Amino acid sequence: AQSVSQHNHHVILSEAASLELGCNYSYGGTVNLFWYVQYPGQHLQLLLKYFSGDPLVKGIKGFEAEFIKSKFSFNLRKPSVQWSDTAEYFCAVNKAAGNKLTFGGGTRVLVKP
Amino acid sequence: DTEVTQTPKHLVMGMTNKKSLKCEQHMGHRAMYWYKQKAKKPPELMFVYSYEKLSINESVPSRFSPECPNSSLLNLHLHALQPEDSALYLCASSPSLAITDTQYFGPGTRLTVL
Repeated sequence: AQSVSQHNHHVILSEAASLELGCNYSYGGTVNLFWYVQYPGQHLQLLLKYFSGDPLVKGIKGFEAEFIKSKFSFNLRKPSVQWSDTAEYFCAVNKAAGNKLTFGGGTRVLVKP
Repeated sequence: DTEVTQTPKHLVMGMTNKKSLKCEQHMGHRAMYWYKQKAKKPPELMFVYSYEKLSINESVPSRFSPECPNSSLLNLHLHALQPEDSALYLCASSPSLAITDTQYFGPGTRLTVL
């Protein structure tokens, strides 16, 4: 079955540490890829997206993601996290007609001050 | 303005009640979506509307009835729900159904079914 996998369910790290969250998808062909973030008590917000072109995508708040087609991956990175990055992060894939987003299981990130 | 608003924020209802969730956007978007998010799970698509017409129904039980009365408004009518329907219901909108269009999410309505 087609799916989106986020291998880390929980990540705990200290401020200034680097963050990398994995995302793999099992769709073939052309895909559109997204990372959304859900801060505590807030709505889902788009961090960044990839449609085509440069596989290294820069988003808001210092986040970036790299699309590696051969590995079916779209990993999210941030060189130095802050306490305010504590949130749940969702990878999502859009392939089918109708703009249907399929989300990964999410990764809860806790940044300790 | 990139805001999608949802009312109410919280809703508690009994299994015999009829209630409605409301979603509104004023970004001129012509596609609107309902998602269901259970605790500690990702959002799951329920319905997609395009130009006020139902485009996708992800095999959602008939006790959930969507309605799109105009291009800015999306409702979800609830009737005879079960306790397992308790969840966060998210609304989203996008300019169109093009797969390159970003979906903007509302804050959700947290529904508890007793």
